[in-house]
Amino acid sequence: DAGITQSPRHKVTETGTPVTLRCHQTENHRYMYWYRQDPGHGLRLIHYSYGVKDTDKGEVSDGYSVSRSKTEDFLLTLESATSSQTSVYFCAIRRQIEETQYFGPGTRLLVL
Amino acid sequence: KNEVEQSPQNLTAQEGEFITINCSYSVGISALHWLQQHPGGGIVSLFMLSSGKKKHGRLIATINIQEKHSSLHITASHPRDSAVYICAVDYGGSQGNLIFGKGTKLSVKP
Repeated sequence: DAGITQSPRHKVTETGTPVTLRCHQTENHRYMYWYRQDPGHGLRLIHYSYGVKDTDKGEVSDGYSVSRSKTEDFLLTLESATSSQTSVYFCAIRRQIEETQYFGPGTRLLVL
Repeated sequence: KNEVEQSPQNLTAQEGEFITINCSYSVGISALHWLQQHPGGGIVSLFMLSSGKKKHGRLIATINIQEKHSSLHITASHPRDSAVYICAVDYGGSQGNLIFGKGTKLSVKP
């Protein structure tokens, strides 16, 4: 257990509405990641962060933005949700010494 | 494009069988990870390998750097091993970004 929580765990929203998902960690790790997981695809990186206010895009960043104003929180925002963003979203941290990623419990998002 | 291929996609076994899941990748890597995802979604890291072999309980992971191939073995399989097993590779960037395979769904019947 790497002390990672995600909120909300489940969300149903309508097309066009903004949605923010939160990832919170308790261990002060520098690297944090947002992934989405869809049937027929592996986990795909949306955005990642390497420190407070330091973020970069991943493979599938279109339609998503992120912010990291504190070490412990990494927020993922869908500015205007679309049905193609229906997915399970996972946050992860990387423990520097082990170079292993630890995952949060996931958020199931349904965009109607 | 850097790709990670897993085989088989689906695997059904009888309790007690020896199981092998394979992972191949296209270019040189700094490390390879095996992860497990149980129904209900939680993802757990099992191993990180950069060479050789690692063992934890009934799980054994091997990697052949020259052949760009890794295997995950489960000895004396049990229904509680039923899960999706995911291979992921780190191509060596400082950010630690991983490329994931699509997973192998294992079902172990009693």
